Amino acid sequence: NAGVTQTPKFRILKIGQSMTLQCTQDMNHNYMYWYRQDPGMGLKLIYYSVGAGITDKGEVPNGYNVSRSTTEDFPLRLELAAPSQTSVYFCASSDPGTGGTGELFFGEGSRLTVL
Amino acid sequence: QQPVQSPQAVILREGEDAVINCSSSKALYSVHWYRQKHGEAPIFLMILLKGGEQKGHDKISASFNEKKQQSSLYLTASQLSYSGTYFCGTEGRGSNYKLTFGKGTLLTVNP
Repeated sequence: NAGVTQTPKFRILKIGQSMTLQCTQDMNHNYMYWYRQDPGMGLKLIYYSVGAGITDKGEVPNGYNVSRSTTEDFPLRLELAAPSQTSVYFCASSDPGTGGTGELFFGEGSRLTVL
Repeated sequence: QQPVQSPQAVILREGEDAVINCSSSKALYSVHWYRQKHGEAPIFLMILLKGGEQKGHDKISASFNEKKQQSSLYLTASQLSYSGTYFCGTEGRGSNYKLTFGKGTLLTVNP
């Protein structure tokens, strides 16, 4: 099983450029998340989705957009990249069937640098 | 609101015990614990769903005091492999399946 797959693993952007971080999961999980991690700050939720066609904002959504057209895919779009978006981005998925959020399965992360 | 973890960092010798605490200001439905090694993704350790529940596997266990909105992670007879950053994630009641993570506790186990 591949689990949660993120691409690219590394990317350098110039200020003002745009890009999409891809996330795919093969576990048929309904719930998917995007977190960013900055040194010493833990993981901050950017956006999440509870199923195809349904997305909602997390703690730090400004400067990002998401879409969820299929159960498997949950891409994160950065518009007009800024240095403050330099971070490590993690995509995760879960199956909340037993109650609560359920175990989060994380991708390997995408390290983004904006110069 | 972000849960508060303490301590921020702890250094142990192999075989020693450690406790990591997680406290929230809001009513909680569940508490998660994850461990992350440098340069890697967080790995799930356990979920605690009920007040006063204690769970564990191997020599790592946790408790959840629902009334105090607190959870503690217990690492017994630590091994070198326990080194990493530990995060608690809290899910508030009615929070629509969103986890809010603390800033983490860096645990270093030395030989």
